[in-house]
Amino acid sequence: EVQLVESGGGLVKPGGSLRLSCAASGFTFSNAWMSWVRQAPGKGLEWVGRIKSKTDGGTTDYAAPVKGRFTISRDDSKNTLYLQMNSLKTEDTAVYYCTTSIAAAGGGNYYYYYGMDVWGQGTTVTVSS
Amino acid sequence: DIQMTQSPSSLSASVGDRVTITCRASQSISSYLNWYQQKPGKAPKLLIYAASSLQSGVPSRFSGSGSGTDFTLTISSLQPEDFATYYCQQSYSTLWGFGQGTKVEIK
Repeated sequence: EVQLVESGGGLVKPGGSLRLSCAASGFTFSNAWMSWVRQAPGKGLEWVGRIKSKTDGGTTDYAAPVKGRFTISRDDSKNTLYLQMNSLKTEDTAVYYCTTSIAAAGGGNYYYYYGMDVWGQGTTVTVSS
Repeated sequence: DIQMTQSPSSLSASVGDRVTITCRASQSISSYLNWYQQKPGKAPKLLIYAASSLQSGVPSRFSGSGSGTDFTLTISSLQPEDFATYYCQQSYSTLWGFGQGTKVEIK
């Protein structure tokens, strides 16, 4: 069974740091492009960023609100995706989801075509003093 | 960055109604447009990818159309389980993004 399980959420003070993890199973994680998407309370979905597979360069891209503060990384030996969040702001309070496309199946640019068809359950980050 | 604008932001409809949601991109995104359904407290679910391709397991009452900058999601006959929030998402550019969402409520 394909599964993504996020962890690491919690309460942190403004200016603090937190690292989220996403454990993947049921598919070839090392071939997958992985994304983080967040949702602030009562708000819509916001794409946070993405890391490509090492085969496709392992590069990362970030949305403007988090660029320079958040870092996405992966450990393919552990089938785990990470989101390191530094200099946290109250507006970073959200449920954070990890997501990918199984249909793209490691096919590089197919990730632009197929949409994100697998999602974790989300982990909640609260930034408050 | 490409901006995605959905309309309406919310709508009220009855079971059996035909519902149409529109999504407009600030520049051409070809057919790199996906639609998601989200219910309260749950993760989003992919409905449509590449503007008009139905995701496996999604009922055929859902359909998508459009290309370039203008797209639509249509529910041909609204069912009780379809009351939810719907989001469009562009995957054309390096930086992906979502529309603001359309909440479909019971009339």
